[in-house]
Amino acid sequence: EDQVTQSPEALRLQEGESSSLNCSYTVSGLRGLFWYRQDPGKGPEFLFTLYSAGEEKEKERLKATLTKKESFLHITAPKPEDSATYLCAVQPSTSGTYKYIFGTGTRLKVLA
Amino acid sequence: EAQVTQNPRYLITVTGKKLTVTCSQNMNHEYMSWYRQDPGLGLRQIYYSMNVEVTDKGDVPEGYKVSRKEKRNFPLILESPSPNQTSLYFCASSYTTGHYTFGSGTRLTVV
Repeated sequence: EDQVTQSPEALRLQEGESSSLNCSYTVSGLRGLFWYRQDPGKGPEFLFTLYSAGEEKEKERLKATLTKKESFLHITAPKPEDSATYLCAVQPSTSGTYKYIFGTGTRLKVLA
Repeated sequence: EAQVTQNPRYLITVTGKKLTVTCSQNMNHEYMSWYRQDPGLGLRQIYYSMNVEVTDKGDVPEGYKVSRKEKRNFPLILESPSPNQTSLYFCASSYTTGHYTFGSGTRLTVV
């Protein structure tokens, strides 16, 4: 069964304290892996798409990497405004319906 | 501005009273989808549409209906809402292999 698991569920960091969020996935083939940021009461906002193992994408303090079984979202020197829930989603290549499978997210809190 | 517009943002209704949540996108996306988000369960797909007049069930379709008569619109219909449909609902659209653009959400309470 296709599955996406994110860890940790919640993470508290001091401002400037770098860390990584994990997204592990089990699919028979990967069309794409997506990272989103979600603020409370709002819709998820797209961050990155990764397509193949070894690929990396970067945006400001965020860097996403992909291996054959997992993806990491690295946050370097975070600021309080980086506080949000980060969602990972996978699009299996074996699905003819372009289905997305979402993880339950990591709630990040960055303290000033 | 490229966006997905949902209405209403907040809705409180009573059990059994039919309601419709509207969704419209201005990006000419083929693919549209409805999700519900509940604490601890994440985003679960209700229905999706590959294009006009093409819709199919997601993971949790019971109690919901959709239609796609125009490419830009994808309304979600609850014929007889029940309290277990109290949730935060998101409409999203994309090109078929691209990332989603999400709406701002509709918080539905059924009493």
